[in-house]
Amino acid sequence: AQRVTQPEKLLSVFKGAPVELKCNYSYSGSPELFWYVQYSRQRLQLLLRHISRESIKGFTADLNKGETSFHLKKPFAQEEDSAMYYCALSSYNTDKLIFGTGTRLQVFP
Amino acid sequence: DTGVSQNPRHKITKRGQNVTFRCDPISEHNRLYWYRQTLGQGPEFLTYFQNEAQLEKSRLLSDRFSAERPKGSFSTLEIQRTEQGDSAMYLCASSLDLTGTQYFGPGTRLLVL
Repeated sequence: AQRVTQPEKLLSVFKGAPVELKCNYSYSGSPELFWYVQYSRQRLQLLLRHISRESIKGFTADLNKGETSFHLKKPFAQEEDSAMYYCALSSYNTDKLIFGTGTRLQVFP
Repeated sequence: DTGVSQNPRHKITKRGQNVTFRCDPISEHNRLYWYRQTLGQGPEFLTYFQNEAQLEKSRLLSDRFSAERPKGSFSTLEIQRTEQGDSAMYLCASSLDLTGTQYFGPGTRLLVL
């Protein structure tokens, strides 16, 4: 079955500390992986997707097919990074996104 | 056109009543999706359209739920005989094509009393 697991509901760090939000997936084929973010009082928006291999707002994520993981990392957290982060996958032949339960990141000053 | 819009933003209804939500996608996007999100969970896929054709429905979409996109533009999601378990945030998203980025609307929060 297709599934996305985000083991941490809450991650709290101080400003300037490194951040790693964990995401593991199960999928039999070749999925596409995404990170979506929802800032307070804003809509869900795409942060990054693995095929674009971009760094957005200092965040990166590497797809590790051996470990079936797509962890989100940032070397130095900022207060404005505080938000809800969702990992999601889709397959190449279907559009639907399968989301994890999300991790709330709190960055303290 | 500044993005996906949804109306109403909030809906409170009594159990057993019917409700209808509307989603207006980004104008050139031909794919439109509906998701449902309950407290503490990520969004769950309900259904999606390519133009006016409904191409996939989740088993979450019981026979009380119906979605339409009659002219390939806006879409409506109707819930008949609402139940308390239908209380959730209903999200709409649109994309330009297959593998395109899905852009989400602000959602409609439904509370069934």
